[in-house]
Amino acid sequence: DTEVTQTPKHLVMGMTNKKSLKCEQHMGHRAMYWYKQKAKKPPELMFVYSYEKLSINESVPSRFSPECPNSSLLNLHLHALQPEDSALYLCASSRLAGEQETQYFGPGTRLLVL
Amino acid sequence: RKEVEQDPGPFNVPEGATVAFNCTYSNSASQSFFWYRQDCRKEPKLLMSVYSSGNEDGRFTAQLNRASQYISLLIRDSKLSDSATYLCVVATQGGKLIFGQGTELSVKP
Repeated sequence: DTEVTQTPKHLVMGMTNKKSLKCEQHMGHRAMYWYKQKAKKPPELMFVYSYEKLSINESVPSRFSPECPNSSLLNLHLHALQPEDSALYLCASSRLAGEQETQYFGPGTRLLVL
Repeated sequence: RKEVEQDPGPFNVPEGATVAFNCTYSNSASQSFFWYRQDCRKEPKLLMSVYSSGNEDGRFTAQLNRASQYISLLIRDSKLSDSATYLCVVATQGGKLIFGQGTELSVKP
């Protein structure tokens, strides 16, 4: 089973709201990732977790706060977002955080910030 | 210069055609390369890894030229179901994937 699940599928939030995106995998993978994808653009890496520790933060604004409570779960907490943060947020996982590892993507959460 | 550059699309081809996508990368130290496929409003999915010796998977052939820092994907006998955006991807240490802009393929009956 190479499935990564994400909830919710769609999210609409105001600029003063606090919400969370959730990602789960049961493949025993020890690396998990958050990507952001704007329309007609490729995905851009936001964060990498390796063995539940944050290993890469691509200078993401602090209004995005990742959390990895255990090896199967990855959250992205959202607070005080801007309309330009509207995008598809993709979670991915891989066996390890290495160059040659295949990353499996979840279906994404479509976020609209009003 | 972008780290990964791809042919601009879209490519509109008839069923049965052979189509080639090209990609160049800027970091000569890069070691791992992939082609991902992304259908409209879906997540990217790994199509194939790219090895120095070249590799083939059915109708798909990927080639890597390290000297020219060039990657290619050849699709033979195109099917309607091949219509998608094809993303050239370079992996870096720590698992960071750098995506090209993507090339849109539309296969017509």
